Amino acid sequence: IVLAQSPGTLSLSPGERATLSCRASQSVTSSYLAWYQQKPGQAPRLVIYAASSRATGIPDRFSGSESGTEFTLTISRVEPEDFAVYYCQQYATSPHTFGQGTKLEIK
Amino acid sequence: QVQLQESGPGLVKPSETLSLTCTVSGASFTNYYWTWIRQPPGKGLEYIGYIYYKGSTNYNPSLESRVTISVDTSNNQFSLRLRSVTAADTAVYYCASTSRGRPFDYWGQGILVTVSS
Repeated sequence: IVLAQSPGTLSLSPGERATLSCRASQSVTSSYLAWYQQKPGQAPRLVIYAASSRATGIPDRFSGSESGTEFTLTISRVEPEDFAVYYCQQYATSPHTFGQGTKLEIK
Repeated sequence: QVQLQESGPGLVKPSETLSLTCTVSGASFTNYYWTWIRQPPGKGLEYIGYIYYKGSTNYNPSLESRVTISVDTSNNQFSLRLRSVTAADTAVYYCASTSRGRPFDYWGQGILVTVSS
């Protein structure tokens, strides 16, 4: 399954709403799609799993949704610590593939 | 809390074999799929493969001909061997854990491996 993320870069100011997209080339069984946050020099951190479930310790400003093969990560009000690269990943079908990433940067 | 730690050489010569080990602590070694993922400098994440604690494996078809993942349950470790490396294999290599129907919940800190003569 090929995952295409958009936009490549998203420039926002703190407090604004962020909407990141991930489009799958085919259906993702059981909504097995996750989102990860990666900051420079760090390993990725799980943010959302099963398309819309928040991982442990993730603030409720993060939410995920699904419509067919289109998945969305929304940050309701971006905080300074949210600026990072976000990857989507499907774990329904092997090989488990990642999207190419969306960089959320400070405007 | 599951903790994973990668170890191994940071420099490998072209055409040689890259060998890394991941040591697991804080969790039972059973019922997990122990995974390797890599990230070339400045690029995205690539799934390499996983091994179930019982020994069954799954590899990314793009790397399958050169990859072997093995497990040492007595020492709570699993290992990656990547043969015939080239500069394109230069990356940060992460070990991670997953279970059935789960994403990659836990990650090691990553280890940079450079392929260069």
